[in-house]
Amino acid sequence: EAQVTQNPRYLITVTGKKLTVTCSQNMNHEYMSWYRQDPGLGLRQIYYSMNVEVTDKGDVPEGYKVSRKEKRNFPLILESPSPNQTSLYFCASGWTGGTEAFFGQGTRLTVV
Amino acid sequence: GQQLNQSPQSMFIQEGEDVSMNCTSSSIFNTWLWYKQDPGEGPVLLIALYKAGELTSNGRLTAQFGITRKDSFLNISASIPSDVGIYFCAGLGAGGTSYGKLTFGQGTILTVHP
Repeated sequence: EAQVTQNPRYLITVTGKKLTVTCSQNMNHEYMSWYRQDPGLGLRQIYYSMNVEVTDKGDVPEGYKVSRKEKRNFPLILESPSPNQTSLYFCASGWTGGTEAFFGQGTRLTVV
Repeated sequence: GQQLNQSPQSMFIQEGEDVSMNCTSSSIFNTWLWYKQDPGEGPVLLIALYKAGELTSNGRLTAQFGITRKDSFLNISASIPSDVGIYFCAGLGAGGTSYGKLTFGQGTILTVHP
């Protein structure tokens, strides 16, 4: 089954404790990206990757890191989480050009 | 960054009515996408538009890519209760530093009364 898998689905952590949210897709898509969703703001792109070893900043990259060492995986790293990073995060993948057909189920992160 | 203005923010309609929502931008886009998000789920792609002026249908859904490349609309005909959800437009950057960047509208919350 074609899918984008994010883990974990829910996470509560404390300020400053490094965390990683994993994202994996099984469709051989070149394009992957991360979004955060906050009430009234829609989805805002954090980082995106057009291919392996190619990553670019989206609209809200501050406080986040990503890596794309393999085509299927695109982890989101928060080196020192802060409460303003409490949000619902989505990973997505698609074909070349950024048409994202598939979103993951989301990760609800709470930073206290 | 680029911004999309999506309207209306919310709609309350009766089952069977037609629905229209739109997005406008100050920037041009290469691609317009429309998504639907159900509670607790990730967005699901409904329609993708790749050319200015393009009109595309998917069942009861019809979307158009504006001639100026700065706007798009989505129509839903004969709404049914399962159309309830949040609808998002998204534009894919046209080039330069915007190439590959996907910008979303704020969403339209649709409620359908039986």
